[in-house]
Amino acid sequence: KQEVTQIPAALSVPEGENLVLNCSFTDSAIYNLQWFRQDPGKGLTSLLLIQSSQREQTSGRLNASLDKSSGRSTLYIAASQPGDSATYLCAVQNYGGSQGNLIFGKGTKLSVKP
Amino acid sequence: NAGVTQTPKFQVLKTGQSMTLQCAQDMNHNSMYWYRQDPGMGLRLIYYSASEGTTDKGEVPNGYNVSRLNKREFSLRLESAAPSQTSVYFCASIETSGRTYNEQFFGPGTRLTVL
Repeated sequence: KQEVTQIPAALSVPEGENLVLNCSFTDSAIYNLQWFRQDPGKGLTSLLLIQSSQREQTSGRLNASLDKSSGRSTLYIAASQPGDSATYLCAVQNYGGSQGNLIFGKGTKLSVKP
Repeated sequence: NAGVTQTPKFQVLKTGQSMTLQCAQDMNHNSMYWYRQDPGMGLRLIYYSASEGTTDKGEVPNGYNVSRLNKREFSLRLESAAPSQTSVYFCASIETSGRTYNEQFFGPGTRLTVL
């Protein structure tokens, strides 16, 4: 059974710092991996989608990498801002199982201090 | 283009009451999903619909039923609500084509409390 783990569970950094969020998964037979942002009391906003054949994706100050063979992904946030404060969720889509559904980690709660 | 919409946003029920959560998407996606999010448990799949006219159970289907009314709409029904169903419910949709799975889009959620 696929398990997705995110470390750390919470992270507090000063504004301007570059930071890395980690995601690991136990079964490398995935279609893709998706990173989401969730603000308190809100829904999920998709940040980046990496297909299994890709190594990384970039959007603005965000860069996500995927190493399928080792079961790891990282989300790099450059020059962090207070507006980046949110919970970041990593999710994978498996081969087989419920068609297309995502298996989520429990998230990393990020706080960026001014 | 509203994306994925959900109604209601908030709901309080008494144990044993029934209700239906509504979800609609305007992106012409063929697959739709219902998840629940609980503290410490993350998001878990309740039911999904790979295409219009089909539905299947996910990880935690007990106590729920679903209807894929048409390509746009996918509803989740609680027949007899229990306190264990207190949660935040998210609907999502995705365009799937053969073995290609694209970005999954989520609605804003329904916050349900069962007393």
